[in-house]
Amino acid sequence: NAGVTQTPKFRVLKTGQSMTLLCAQDMNHEYMYWYRQDPGMGLRLIHYSVGEGTTAKGEVPDGYNVSRLKKQNFLLGLESAAPSQTSVYFCASRRTGVAFFGQGTRLTVV
Amino acid sequence: RKEVEQDPGPFNVPEGATVAFNCTYSNSASQSFFWYRQDCRKEPKLLMSVYSSGNEDGRFTAQLNRASQYISLLIRDSKLSDSATYLCVANPGEGQNFVFGPGTRLSVLP
Repeated sequence: NAGVTQTPKFRVLKTGQSMTLLCAQDMNHEYMYWYRQDPGMGLRLIHYSVGEGTTAKGEVPDGYNVSRLKKQNFLLGLESAAPSQTSVYFCASRRTGVAFFGQGTRLTVV
Repeated sequence: RKEVEQDPGPFNVPEGATVAFNCTYSNSASQSFFWYRQDCRKEPKLLMSVYSSGNEDGRFTAQLNRASQYISLLIRDSKLSDSATYLCVANPGEGQNFVFGPGTRLSVLP
């Protein structure tokens, strides 16, 4: 009953460092999404994928890159972290209809 | 104009009260709609889908008005455990992004 799993759950980065967030789903879903959530801002879509090997930009893609080399995994990369990227990151997946979320990654950039 | 808009609240209601939230969407091609619930510092979880004819799940009733492009959520006999942020979703269609509203915060008071 894993569903959608995000790793890591917490991370502190220094400005300029890079990191990759991993999202893995075991439901054979086609669509996967990366959102960020900031206080009072709601969920904002960073990038999404409609299938293996495809990615598309969402509302706030700058400073992030993504890859979907395998259907079950969707990676979010920060090449050079900035304090403005301090946020909670949620991954979600869906086939049709309902989206299921991972538990989130709390990232702090200092 | 944002694709999906909600009154952020907070809505502060006493236990046992009935409370209603509306959510408007701008894309008339939106095909499917959902209400999610998000507890503090947790991931969003599906509360209910919204069907064209309206649907009910216990104390919760969802309605869709395509002509006016809004969906609503009615909560009857509010419980303390209903305190959360309620997010609406309008899905423009398969292969497109999954758009969340900013959320409406509900606090049910004893």
